[in-house]
Amino acid sequence: GENVEQHPSTLSVQEGDSAVIKCTYSDSASNYFPWYKQELGKRPQLIIDIRSNVGEKKDQRIAVTLNKTAKHFSLHITETQPEDSAVYFCAATFIQGAQKLVFGQGTRLTINP
Amino acid sequence: DTAVSQTPKYLVTQMGNDKSIKCEQNLGHDTMYWYKQDSKKFLKIMFSYNNKELIINETVPNRFSPKSPDKAHLNLHINSLELGDSAVYFCASSQILAGGTGELFFGEGSRLTVL
Repeated sequence: GENVEQHPSTLSVQEGDSAVIKCTYSDSASNYFPWYKQELGKRPQLIIDIRSNVGEKKDQRIAVTLNKTAKHFSLHITETQPEDSAVYFCAATFIQGAQKLVFGQGTRLTINP
Repeated sequence: DTAVSQTPKYLVTQMGNDKSIKCEQNLGHDTMYWYKQDSKKFLKIMFSYNNKELIINETVPNRFSPKSPDKAHLNLHINSLELGDSAVYFCASSQILAGGTGELFFGEGSRLTVL
């Protein structure tokens, strides 16, 4: 079935340290893997995405890696700052007639000053 | 200019009532969605429309009825509200690219509380 597992559910790191969030997906045909950040009371917003023909993508302090063989992908945030505190969601596309994005359960990241 | 806007932002209502949420996008996207986010923050897709045609219906109870009068609007009507319907409902839109799904742009959410 369509499943995206995300770990950990909560993560607390010291400011300046790195944070890593991991996701696995069930459908080997999935080809698009975005990451969304949701601040308290706000809407989810895309922070980075990767397609299946790429193994790694970086944007300043944020990077995403994809291992298609193992069907897992990860979000890496370096030099964390207080404004990185939020809930992060991974997602993967599933195709059953139409494409849809299925989200992981979310990771609440807290950056401690 | 707000890209995806939904109204109202807050609804508080009694069990058994009927309510509607409206959504509009000015991005020119051809696909719109309704997602439900429960108290545990799970984001679950409910419906998707492509150019006014329903393409995804995720085994949502019949009490939920989406309507898309045109590709820029997707409304959600809920009949006979139940306590378990309390959640934040997000509208979203995207442009399906040649390579597949494009970025989802979310509205601000509509927080529904059923008493």
